[in-house]
Amino acid sequence: GAGVSQSPSNKVTEKGKDVELRCDPISGHTALYWYRQSLGQGLEFLIYFQGNSAPDKSGLPSDRFSAERTGGSVSTLTIQRTQQEDSAVYLCASSLVAVNNEQFFGPGTRLTVL
Amino acid sequence: QQQVKQSPQSLIVQKGGISIINCAYENTAFDYFPWYQQFPGKGPALLIAIRPDVSEKKEGRFTISFNKSAKQFSLHIMDSQPGDSATYFCAASNQGGKLIFGQGTELSVKP
Repeated sequence: GAGVSQSPSNKVTEKGKDVELRCDPISGHTALYWYRQSLGQGLEFLIYFQGNSAPDKSGLPSDRFSAERTGGSVSTLTIQRTQQEDSAVYLCASSLVAVNNEQFFGPGTRLTVL
Repeated sequence: QQQVKQSPQSLIVQKGGISIINCAYENTAFDYFPWYQQFPGKGPALLIAIRPDVSEKKEGRFTISFNKSAKQFSLHIMDSQPGDSATYFCAASNQGGKLIFGQGTELSVKP
């Protein structure tokens, strides 16, 4: 079946612009995660959604970052007023349930802020 | 306390050799320890995972050794092949679902 898909695959933007990154999880997966991968910081957790529960936003680096998950499926990560340090690969993952379950990762969106 | 420390940062092994990557953690509430493999341009993919009630888990050429008292776990790749050349990440979680990743090990297997 289809895996986790993300769009766009690459995004180049100018400092100060807003960007939206999209994630389509595996059908039927109730948990959805966003991570960021950068050279200096490795793989960092950003936010996760589990069913109808309030999302765990503890990894968001600043209030410029937000995410939503509509209808328990597709998720959008929004970065407002982008900064050069936001340049990274943003990875989305989904799992059947949240607790200690295999997370399937998408290919990521490479964000470059000029 | 939420950190997972991984070593070495890079590793070169001859074909047929054993690759060993180590991780250490502080948070004793962690109860799930997966290893992920990542190829360039791809997202990480689960390789093998262990829970703290066992000391070892083997799947094919890949083995996780887990030492609960030392708060350490390691990945052993037996008979390493050039196709194993990738970046490997250890991770940990404590029922919350979110994974805390190590810094990664870039493995190169020479033919």
